[in-house]
Amino acid sequence: EAGVAQSPRYKIIEKRQSVAFWCNPISGHATLYWYQQILGQGPKLLIQFQNNGVVDDSQLPKDRFSAERLKGVDSTLKIQPAKLEDSAVYLCASSLGTRGTGELFFGEGSRLTVL
Amino acid sequence: RKEVEQDPGPFNVPEGATVAFNCTYSNSASQSFFWYRQDCRKEPKLLMSVYSSGNEDGRFTAQLNRASQYISLLIRDSKLSDSATYLCVVNRNYGQNFVFGPGTRLSVLP
Repeated sequence: EAGVAQSPRYKIIEKRQSVAFWCNPISGHATLYWYQQILGQGPKLLIQFQNNGVVDDSQLPKDRFSAERLKGVDSTLKIQPAKLEDSAVYLCASSLGTRGTGELFFGEGSRLTVL
Repeated sequence: RKEVEQDPGPFNVPEGATVAFNCTYSNSASQSFFWYRQDCRKEPKLLMSVYSSGNEDGRFTAQLNRASQYISLLIRDSKLSDSATYLCVVNRNYGQNFVFGPGTRLSVLP
């Protein structure tokens, strides 16, 4: 079974530029998450989708971050404009949702460096 | 106060040692609990779920105390390959809404 796919793996941009990350979850997983992990910290939830609806985006900085999950499958996370403090690994994860054991399956992450 | 807190670490232990990690959570409505492992520059992966009665998986033992809102992970006979960051994870609603602690880094030394 294919795992969670993310791209790009690495991205370097200058502050005030924009960037987009893509995620393809495990087939059949209803719930998709975007986490931000700053070096030395645990992952912090940015947004959670159930199918194509938003369940929780309370910690998403909505003035610069946006995310969508079209057709309840793939998702994109966009940052515009980027700030220095956005340098982090952006982790996409999926789970079966309420039907499952609660295990999260992560992609390898997209590492963003903002200069 | 953060919702999930862990021992700050790092823990540096010799091979064969026993090491214990502690985690506390603030939301009494939390329903399920996990330990994840994250290797350097890799994604987190599930190590084990934590059940109310306590559970064991080989050298790893997890305990949950709901009254004290406390979770622990014990690793016996540490191996070099156990070197990683251990993340305590709390779930507020079965299958939904996972909150991660900051992680505790373990280095097992030869």
